[in-house]
Amino acid sequence: TQLLEQSPQFLSIQEGENLTVYCNSSSVFSSLQWYRQEPGEGPVLLVTVVTGGEVKKLKRLTFQFGDARKDSSLHITAAQPGDTGLYLCHNDMRFGAGTRLTVKP
Amino acid sequence: KAGVTQTPRYLIKTRGQQVTLSCSPISGHRSVSWYQQTPGQGLQFLFEYFSETQRNKGNFPGRFSGRQFSNSRSEMNVSTLELGDSALYLCASSLGLAGGHVGGELFFGEGSRLTVL
Repeated sequence: TQLLEQSPQFLSIQEGENLTVYCNSSSVFSSLQWYRQEPGEGPVLLVTVVTGGEVKKLKRLTFQFGDARKDSSLHITAAQPGDTGLYLCHNDMRFGAGTRLTVKP
Repeated sequence: KAGVTQTPRYLIKTRGQQVTLSCSPISGHRSVSWYQQTPGQGLQFLFEYFSETQRNKGNFPGRFSGRQFSNSRSEMNVSTLELGDSALYLCASSLGLAGGHVGGELFFGEGSRLTVL
């Protein structure tokens, strides 16, 4: 059973700071999706990464897929309060436990 | 394009009762998957239906069941409710099989929040 481990579990930062969250597995991912969930809502897809070594950018968010396709990271530059939420990685119907990010104004 | 619609949004039941939750996927999406979300366990996969057939099932007891209709709408049922079934139940639709390389992106509804007393 492939488990998705996310770290850190909680992250509280000030507006304008940078941060990175991680998603790791002992097995190779076929592909990986990142979602963000805000309170009272369902998760919303941010990106899908497929190719080892792939880097995708979405405004201030940068997603990397490890060369071996066992890990992925999400980097946020100059975080804003609107980035607050639960960040989840997903593969093969399994979600990681998530990183709960709070960005304080 | 209308999003995924889940009903009811909130409901309260007592132990031993049963509950049925409904999910209407995005038009054209053939896959509907269900998840249970709790603070302690996170998002856990219940089952996926594709073209009226259950394609995958998570590690939940038989009290949890589901079905999909010819119009892709789906229902899930929980019988003999237990206190531990209190959770947010999320439905997601996708064009293809959930999580797949092509058309596997999940589009979630806002969820049905079940409280069991």
